[in-house]
Amino acid sequence: GAGVSQSPRYKVAKRGQDVALRCDPISGHVSLFWYQQALGQGPEFLTYFQNEAQLDKSGLPSDRFFAERPEGSVSTLKIQRTQQEDSAVYLCASSLAGAGQEDQGEAFFGQGTRLTVV
Amino acid sequence: QKEVEQDPGPLSVPEGAIVSLNCTYSNSAFQYFMWYRQYSRKGPELLMYTYSSGNKEDGRFTAQVDKSSKYISLFIRDSQPSDSATYLCAMRGMDSSYKLIFGSGTRLLVRP
Repeated sequence: GAGVSQSPRYKVAKRGQDVALRCDPISGHVSLFWYQQALGQGPEFLTYFQNEAQLDKSGLPSDRFFAERPEGSVSTLKIQRTQQEDSAVYLCASSLAGAGQEDQGEAFFGQGTRLTVV
Repeated sequence: QKEVEQDPGPLSVPEGAIVSLNCTYSNSAFQYFMWYRQYSRKGPELLMYTYSSGNKEDGRFTAQVDKSSKYISLFIRDSQPSDSATYLCAMRGMDSSYKLIFGSGTRLLVRP
C-alpha cells in the first residue's frame, strides 16, 4: 500500500477484555515502531522491531502488552486484560533503514487505532 | 521534568500571520530534530528534519536548532487556515538511536 495502514481505526473494549491491534507497514521498510498517544500528549515509544527481531520493548507499560512481527512485515500489538488506563491512540510507524545506519530516514506514521476501555 | 517541553497552546492567530512554535529539551545527546504536524484523528506527518544546529527552510516553514540553548523552533510564514493542527516536536540521539522523544504538542488555530 501507499502508506502505513492500521486496523481497526477504533476499538471499544470492556475492562478485562483482550485486544489485538494490527499494523501493515510500508512494503520493504525494515524498522517498525509502536507508540502510545494519550489525549493531549505526544506519542510515547512502546517498542521497536528491525525486521522480525524485537530489539527494544522498554516502553511497554506492563507484561499485559505484547508485540510481534513474525515475518518481518505485519505487526500485531496485543493487550491482555485491558484496563481503563490503556485507553489511548496506538500509533504504528515504519522507516526504510534499520537502527545503526547513518540516515534512518523518515518514520512514516499510520492513522492510529483509538482504543477506549469501558 | 520531561525530557522535551512544549507549550500546549492553543495558539490562535489570524490568517497571514507568522507563527513561532518552540520546544526546549534537557538531553544534550539529542542530535536529530523533527517537527510533525498532526491533524485531528490522523497520524503525525513529518514537516521538517534537521541534524544538529542551524536553520533549514522549506517553503513557508523554517526550522531552527540552537543546541547551546537546547531550544528548537518552527516558524510558519503566511499562515493559512489549513495549517490549523497540532504541531509536535520530536528528537533523538545519534544514528544508532531510533527512539523518538516527542513534546506534548502545540495546538495551532489559524483564523480566516
